[in-house]
Amino acid sequence: QVQLQESGPGLVKPSGTLSLTCAVSGGSISSSNWWSWIRQPPGKGLEWIGEIYHSGSTNYNPSLKSRVTISVDKSKNQFSLKLSSVTAADTAVYYCARNLLGAWFDPWGQGTLVTVSS
Amino acid sequence: DIQMTQSPSSLSASVGDRVTITCQASQDISNYLNWYQQKPGKAPKLLIYDASNLETGVPSRFSGSGSGTDFTFTISSLQPEDIATYYCQQYDNLPPYTFGGGTKVEIK
Repeated sequence: QVQLQESGPGLVKPSGTLSLTCAVSGGSISSSNWWSWIRQPPGKGLEWIGEIYHSGSTNYNPSLKSRVTISVDKSKNQFSLKLSSVTAADTAVYYCARNLLGAWFDPWGQGTLVTVSS
Repeated sequence: DIQMTQSPSSLSASVGDRVTITCQASQDISNYLNWYQQKPGKAPKLLIYDASNLETGVPSRFSGSGSGTDFTFTISSLQPEDIATYYCQQYDNLPPYTFGGGTKVEIK
């Protein structure tokens, strides 16, 4: 079955750019699904960041749109997140997930904690 | 954005109790509502989609109902392994997808 795995630096400096990659295994990223990034600050709830289709089409959360870029690399079966101008408020566990039917998220990656600190 | 309001934010119940969580949308979302379970240190897991459909492999003690703006998630007989935080999530009028604030379920 499809599995997702996030990777990237666990520490980013304030005003820097957060960069994460989600590797997809057990299935093709070119299947008829969207692929999302979702984050969860420590002890808080879930916030959807954005999504990408294998064609490169994207949708972003308006609250983050000016700082977010999501891209896809079909040759590596993975997609990536860049979040610029980060502050401590961007400290969170970042998850990647598959959107099924553009409706629900399943499965999810295990998540990776990114801390914004100098 | 559609706001999702979950209540209660936490609850404590005994093993075998019936547990009910509600989720209210800020506008009509038909049945475009899903429920997730998140255990400590783990990623969320889909339990129910389209308000009332049980995901494959999920125990039948979990159920969901509702449409429009008001939704209910029920555990018919609470088990120790059900200790987790539960989230609702809507997918109408996108973007963005939005989640409720979560309900933490503990054993009394």
